[in-house]
This record gives sequence, C-alpha cells and structure tokens, in this order.
Amino acid sequence: ETGVTQSPTHLIKTRGQQVTLRCSSQSGHNTVSWYQQALGQGPQFIFQYYREEENGRGNFPPRFSGLQFPNYSSELNVNALELDDSALYLCASSLGSGAPRSQYFGPGTRLTVL
Amino acid sequence: GNSVTQMEGPVTLSEEAFLTINCTYTATGYPSLFWYVQYPGEGLQLLLKATKADDKGSNKGFEATYRKETTSFHLEKGSVQVSDSAVYFCALSEAQTGANNLFFGTGTRLTVIP
Repeated sequence: ETGVTQSPTHLIKTRGQQVTLRCSSQSGHNTVSWYQQALGQGPQFIFQYYREEENGRGNFPPRFSGLQFPNYSSELNVNALELDDSALYLCASSLGSGAPRSQYFGPGTRLTVL
Repeated sequence: GNSVTQMEGPVTLSEEAFLTINCTYTATGYPSLFWYVQYPGEGLQLLLKATKADDKGSNKGFEATYRKETTSFHLEKGSVQVSDSAVYFCALSEAQTGANNLFFGTGTRLTVIP
C-alpha cells in the first residue's frame, strides 16, 4: 500500500511569485486535505477536497486555491506569495470526509519565501 | 468554536520514565480526538485516536482516554525510550458531514535522554 507522497520536498520562491505543490493520496483514499504548519506551531487547515469538489475551507485568503484530479491526487496553488507563507505544507488523505475518519499525512513540502 | 490546548513544552525525560502530556479541548459538539507524532524532518503520523467518551486509544505503549467530563485527552506512556523523542500533537475533528478538518494544539516537544 502506497502512502501519501508530496512534491517537491523543498522550494524557495520570492515574494509575489506563484507556487504549485502536489500530493498523491494513499491508495484507495478519495479525500485530500491541505494544512499549513508554521515553524513551532501546529498545522492549520487550509481546505479539503472530496471527489474533486472543495467541501471545506479554513481561514485562508482566496490566493490559496486547489484542485483534485480524478485519480484523487491534488494540487495546492498559492498566488502572490508573501513572506508569511513560508511554512511546511502538509497534505493528508482519508477515505471519505466527515469525522471520525483518520487522516494520513505526507512528509510535507517546505516552502521558503524570500 | 473548536480548539485544543496542550501542555507547554519542551519536556525532557530520562529513559524508562513515565510520560504524561496534557491535552484539553473545546468543541461545540461531539468530537473525535487524536494524537499525532512528528519525528524530526518528517510529516505527522497518527499515533492513536478515540471517537467517543470513555474510549481509550492505544498504540506502541502510548494510551489516552477520552474524558468528556473534563474535556481532556491526556497522552501517557509507562516507560519512554530514546526513540520516542519527537513532537506530539493533540487534535480534534468534529464534522459528521462535510470536511473532517483537524484542529491541532501547538505541539509538545519530548526529548528522552539515555
């Protein structure tokens, strides 16, 4: 069984640029969630995709957007990067949405904005 | 709203010591509760969970009991090992429908010394 994978591992961008992060969900999982983890903090929910539709969003501005593909992989896009966007971005997958389904996390993408 | 409060770290223990990491929560309904662990340079791993009051989650010698009366989900281990050194996150998920996003505490760093 393949776990959650993310790419790239690390990324360095400058302020104002755009970035796309990618996630492949665990085999058989149809739900993907994205989280932002600032240094020394707990992860914060960005949004969730279930069967290619966004079905929940946290307190993040519209410049954070996403997609889910028919194979349930997902992308996180961030436009007009700001210095505060520097963080570890985590993708998690689960089978179905709604609690108490467990979410399984990938290793993350470390984004640095200069 | 939903929130999780964890005991402040860092926590340093000698090998074979008893571990307790306190976690309390605030939720509007009936949440599921989780403990995740993050080893250095890695993503989050699900350690254990409990989905209703008085449930006990357990894994790898760790355990936590869902206490609705005290809104707590404290993590315990009877004898820690050096390999348990990591950051531990308490989290809750409440949605019965829609997004099952996780609300995380700020994390507690545990260091176990030989």
